[in-house]
Amino acid sequence: GAGVSQSPRYKVTKRGQDVALRCDPISGHVSLYWYRQALGQGPEFLTYFNYEAQQDKSGLPNDRFSAERPEGSISTLTIQRTEQRDSAMYRCASSLEVDTEAFFGQGTRLTVV
Amino acid sequence: GESVGLHLPTLSVQEGDNSIINCAYSNSASDYFIWYKQESGKGPQFIIDIRSNMDKRQGQRVTVLLNKTVKHLSLQIAATQPGDSAVYFCAENRYTGNTGKLIFGQGTTLQVKP
Repeated sequence: GAGVSQSPRYKVTKRGQDVALRCDPISGHVSLYWYRQALGQGPEFLTYFNYEAQQDKSGLPNDRFSAERPEGSISTLTIQRTEQRDSAMYRCASSLEVDTEAFFGQGTRLTVV
Repeated sequence: GESVGLHLPTLSVQEGDNSIINCAYSNSASDYFIWYKQESGKGPQFIIDIRSNMDKRQGQRVTVLLNKTVKHLSLQIAATQPGDSAVYFCAENRYTGNTGKLIFGQGTTLQVKP
């Protein structure tokens, strides 16, 4: 596609429910990143994929968070048993290679009520 | 600790003036830096990048300066326009082998007065 696409744009879920956030990177981009951004803050790194390999998940807050990119393209970030503190903007980015500029999607605004 | 930070949370400039946004980083091994612009309700947008083998890089109306000695990065915007109003983030790309991640600072809000 022309840019990084994320869906849904907005998600409201009840505490305790699982959610899955989708990222469709720019076609051909090897590297894919997930970030979380609180209001007024810079994006906070969550995890990084090189093709289908999750090579860095050091930013995932706890084991309720997981991500996959099974075919090296579309990625899903899953949050199990959501809590109110999980409410944030979740952003995906992709880059052609690991050391080139990353392009961000519009994000998914998650609200846990 | 390892961090990327900005000196000022808000910068207010007059339209037409030049703007300078600063950033300090602590990881001396970092060798790739990126400036992003984020407008309200949008995702970060790439502006310009620089690698550590360079001290300066210029784009259209923007210049990034890198001082590795004091671990300082700056973004200069010439003839600032109202459309430049946004939050600006510097980001440090830490990659080793096949692993990479962007570490962002807190951001500086640029306000352009007409």
